Amino acid sequence: EAAVTQSPRNKVTVTGGNVTLSCRQTNSHNYMYWYRQDTGHGLRLIHYSYGAGNLQIGDVPDGYKATRTTQEDFFLLLELASPSQTSLYFCASSDGGGDTQYFGPGTRLLVL
Amino acid sequence: GQQVQQSPSSLVLQEGENAELQCNFSSTATQLQWFYQSPGGSLVSLLSNPSGTKHTGRLTSTTVTKERRSSLHISSSQTTDSGTYLCAIGASNYQLIWGSGTKLIIKP
Repeated sequence: EAAVTQSPRNKVTVTGGNVTLSCRQTNSHNYMYWYRQDTGHGLRLIHYSYGAGNLQIGDVPDGYKATRTTQEDFFLLLELASPSQTSLYFCASSDGGGDTQYFGPGTRLLVL
Repeated sequence: GQQVQQSPSSLVLQEGENAELQCNFSSTATQLQWFYQSPGGSLVSLLSNPSGTKHTGRLTSTTVTKERRSSLHISSSQTTDSGTYLCAIGASNYQLIWGSGTKLIIKP
């Protein structure tokens, strides 16, 4: 089964702060995704990538940058964090775009 | 755009009872997945079932594509089944469109 890890698991920052969320998958999947989950909204796709150096915009990309440095590593960057970005963030990976997605454990981010 | 609606939003059962969860979607889906989210937040894929019936353990999913609906049946529920069940369909660009989930509480 695919292994997806995320770090940190919890993060507190202040408004205007700089945050980087990391994700690594070890099963050589092509696709990686970043989601946020908020009460009443379910999971919403922020960015995704289908390979190293590739980046695709999701449904809620504003305020987020992402970078896929290798096939294994996908980063989500919040350069000027705002309280509206307080959320539970999930990373996921899949072999193909329509294949089963495997999720990391999530990162809880609190922006004060 | 495509939408996914799940019902009921919450369900409380006694241990041993069967649970029936519904997922309705607004357009034809070539991909449909059921996920379980634990009370602690972790998310795992349960079944991928774009059409027909699939079984795994105590779970049975039935998807009727032309009627744009899927169900997840949990037989002989256990307290450890408590959590949120999410349905997601594949969009034309391979993104997943998510429902808001059914919160299931199994009482001992």
